[in-house]
Amino acid sequence: EPEVTQTPSHQVTQMGQEVILRCVPISNHLYFYWYRQILGQKVEFLVSFYNNEISEKSEIFDDQFSVERPDGSNFTLKIRSTKLEDSAMYFCASCLNREQYFGPGTRLTVT
Amino acid sequence: AQSVTQLGSHVSVSEGALVLLRCNYSSSVPPYLFWYVQYPNQGLQLLLKYTTGATLVKGINGFEAEFKKSETSFHLTKPSAHMSDAAEYFCAVSDRIQGAQKLVFGQGTRLTINP
Repeated sequence: EPEVTQTPSHQVTQMGQEVILRCVPISNHLYFYWYRQILGQKVEFLVSFYNNEISEKSEIFDDQFSVERPDGSNFTLKIRSTKLEDSAMYFCASCLNREQYFGPGTRLTVT
Repeated sequence: AQSVTQLGSHVSVSEGALVLLRCNYSSSVPPYLFWYVQYPNQGLQLLLKYTTGATLVKGINGFEAEFKKSETSFHLTKPSAHMSDAAEYFCAVSDRIQGAQKLVFGQGTRLTINP
């Protein structure tokens, strides 16, 4: 069964460093998303992406964040200058028929 | 703006007992409704969804949920709990508008099953 994959599973970085989180969505899906879950809190929407452009972004998704689909398979989330409060689990999702399929997540730890 | 409230951050039931996880939503128009399950150190897996039609929807692993418009609720139930049901459960909503509609999640309910 096709699934969404994410790499790395765990990323540790120092405050101020850039990180790129990678996702491979399910191949025939057209809508892509990033969500995050701070430890002990609910899952929050960051951004949605369709037809090579951002469809919607949340207040969290400020100028430090960017997304890209550099080729036909990968979907990346970049954080330019990480802050301590960016520590969270980041989930990628892709969507078909209003069903979003989530990847296993990348745990980002900012020290 | 849409919002989701899950009553009870922790629910504990005995194996074989009824599972009831509560979800209420706030939306200007009835949204699409979802339940997701998250096992430890894993991503979210779709249990079931309501989009249109029959208000009682059945999902995987014996779970079902009923959409009650008058109560703005979408509670999740399972007649008989199994140890493997121990996980975190999230209720979510999305707009009915076509396009890349985001999911808005509740706070989650951690389900514990006692032997």
